[in-house]
Amino acid sequence: DVKVTQSSRYLVKRTGEKVFLECVQDMDHENMFWYRQDPGLGLRLIYFSYDVKMKEKGDIPEGYSVSREKKERFSLILESASTNQTSMYLCASSLRDIDSPLHFGNGTRLTVT
Amino acid sequence: GQQVMQIPQYQHVQEGEDFTTYCNSSTTLSNIQWYKQRPGGHPVFLIQLVKSGEVKKQKRLTFQFGEAKKNSSLHITATQTTDVGTYFCAVYSGAGSYQLTFGKGTKLSVIP
Repeated sequence: DVKVTQSSRYLVKRTGEKVFLECVQDMDHENMFWYRQDPGLGLRLIYFSYDVKMKEKGDIPEGYSVSREKKERFSLILESASTNQTSMYLCASSLRDIDSPLHFGNGTRLTVT
Repeated sequence: GQQVMQIPQYQHVQEGEDFTTYCNSSTTLSNIQWYKQRPGGHPVFLIQLVKSGEVKKQKRLTFQFGEAKKNSSLHITATQTTDVGTYFCAVYSGAGSYQLTFGKGTKLSVIP
């Protein structure tokens, strides 16, 4: 079974802090994704990566960056956290095939105060 | 990314009643995926539809893809409390794109 592991379930940070959200998958998937989920807005794609060191912007990349140095790990970085980045962050992975389903991690609930 | 409208946003049903959620796009879709998210959980893949007019069933769940491949529906027959959660459709932005865009979801509540 695919396992996507996010490093923290809950995280509280202060405004202006640099925040790292880590995600690791164990199924050798090529694609990895970061979404944020907010009530009434559904899941919105922040960034995705289809290969090591490759990244593509999603629908809401502003205020975020990503890093993929190894195939199994995809990091989301908030350079200077702001209160409007308080959200649930979901990492997902999939095979390279265009119709491959996404496997999600359990999510990180980030609160920025 | 590709836009997809999902309705209704919320649905409250009595246990045993049927439930349907719809996804609509203004453009032709290559395929559509459906996911379920239980309260406090993460989205879990249910099914993918690819062919025009396709109908697939999973026990009490029936998934349909429109003839024009611009809409899709998920129908649950005789809902149970275990069906509670949010149901999302998801579509790819375009040919060759890895960007999967989700609808806003339909939150289903089942009254015992």
